[in-house]
Amino acid sequence: ETGVTQSPTHLIKTRGQQVTLRCSSQSGHNTVSWYQQALGQGPQFIFQYYREEENGRGNFPPRFSGLQFPNYSSELNVNALELDDSALYLCASSGGRNTEAFFGQGTRLTVV
Amino acid sequence: GIQVEQSPPDLILQEGANSTLRCNFSDSVNNLQWFHQNPWGQLINLFYIPSGTKQNGRLSATTVATERYSLLYISSSQTTDSGVYFCAGPGAGTGFQKLVFGTGTRLLVSP
Repeated sequence: ETGVTQSPTHLIKTRGQQVTLRCSSQSGHNTVSWYQQALGQGPQFIFQYYREEENGRGNFPPRFSGLQFPNYSSELNVNALELDDSALYLCASSGGRNTEAFFGQGTRLTVV
Repeated sequence: GIQVEQSPPDLILQEGANSTLRCNFSDSVNNLQWFHQNPWGQLINLFYIPSGTKQNGRLSATTVATERYSLLYISSSQTTDSGVYFCAGPGAGTGFQKLVFGTGTRLLVSP
């Protein structure tokens, strides 16, 4: 069984640029969620994808967008990067509603 | 949405000591997870425990769903237990699995 993997592990971008983060879900899981974790805080829900469609979104602006592919892997795209977007971005996969979620190792994004 | 409170926020233990971490929810939850975040940031699953009690080695957890709280017990702590412990759960009735996290308990176990 393959776990959740994210790439890249670290990334440095300049304010105003765009970034794409990637996540491969755990084998057999069809649901992927993305979270942002600022330093010293708990993860905050960005959005969730189920069978290639967004089916839930947290309090994040539209410049945060995503995709899910037929193999259930996912991308998180952030446009017009701001300094406050610097954070650890975590991807979680699960087998469906109210089932256990498993997280990847995260992508640490720094915006300068 | 639900709110999650964890206590204590910080905990310092001597190796070998026992501890109890608490998680309170503002509303009923239909599943609950405990995680350990390692120094590299990865969230490691400890327990998936909507209700009842589970044990895994030196760790055990109890969730009392009707009273909206969960407890994580760490016995005979080791330095490798250091890190941040999070509990998380969705609110009942949500149409999708959004995990709401507490602010965490930062544990430091000294030798």
